[in-house]
Amino acid sequence: EAGVTQSPTHLIKTRGQQVTLRCSPISGHTSVYWYQQALGLGLQFLLWYDEGEERNRGNFPPRFSGRQFPNYSSELNVNALELEDSALYLCASSRQGIHEQFFGPGTRLTVL
Amino acid sequence: TQLLEQSPQFLSIQEGENLTVYCNSSSVFSSLQWYRQEPGEGPVLLVTVVTGGEVKKLKRLTFQFGDARKDSSLHITAAQTGDTGLYLCAGGRYGNTGKLIFGQGTTLQVKP
Repeated sequence: EAGVTQSPTHLIKTRGQQVTLRCSPISGHTSVYWYQQALGLGLQFLLWYDEGEERNRGNFPPRFSGRQFPNYSSELNVNALELEDSALYLCASSRQGIHEQFFGPGTRLTVL
Repeated sequence: TQLLEQSPQFLSIQEGENLTVYCNSSSVFSSLQWYRQEPGEGPVLLVTVVTGGEVKKLKRLTFQFGDARKDSSLHITAAQTGDTGLYLCAGGRYGNTGKLIFGQGTTLQVKP
């Protein structure tokens, strides 16, 4: 069974630009979660999507947004990039209503 | 507010030694996961515990969930160099907000 996949693996952007990250969940999983792992800050919850709807978001500004498609894949969009957005962005998936989350390899975003 | 406190934050031991990592909180969790993460990669799920007092074993790793569901421990017997990595505990709250609350992690270095 294929795991969670994410693309791209690495991105370099400059301040003010916009970026889109992509995630495909494990087959059969309907929930997708996004986390940010910045150096020294641990994993911080960003967004939770289930059945195409945003169910919960963490304490991040509105320029962090996303969506979930009918095939349960998801995108994370970050507008007006700031230097502190540099981090590893992790996507996870789970079966509906289950806390057990499986993570993808992440996308490393560097903002210059 | 850090809801999950891990200790120690860093541990350097010789191959063959035993070690225990602790994950403590004043909050009750409906489930608790342990992950291991290699540099630049996504966390890999090791175990999920859901019942107070539950003990699970994965080869040389023993995981325990506290009776009150507020704490957990990970014990490694006869550590090997392949155990080196970042160990993360993560708790799921009742009411299913979707997000996992992560501890800051324990960096384990096992020297040959």
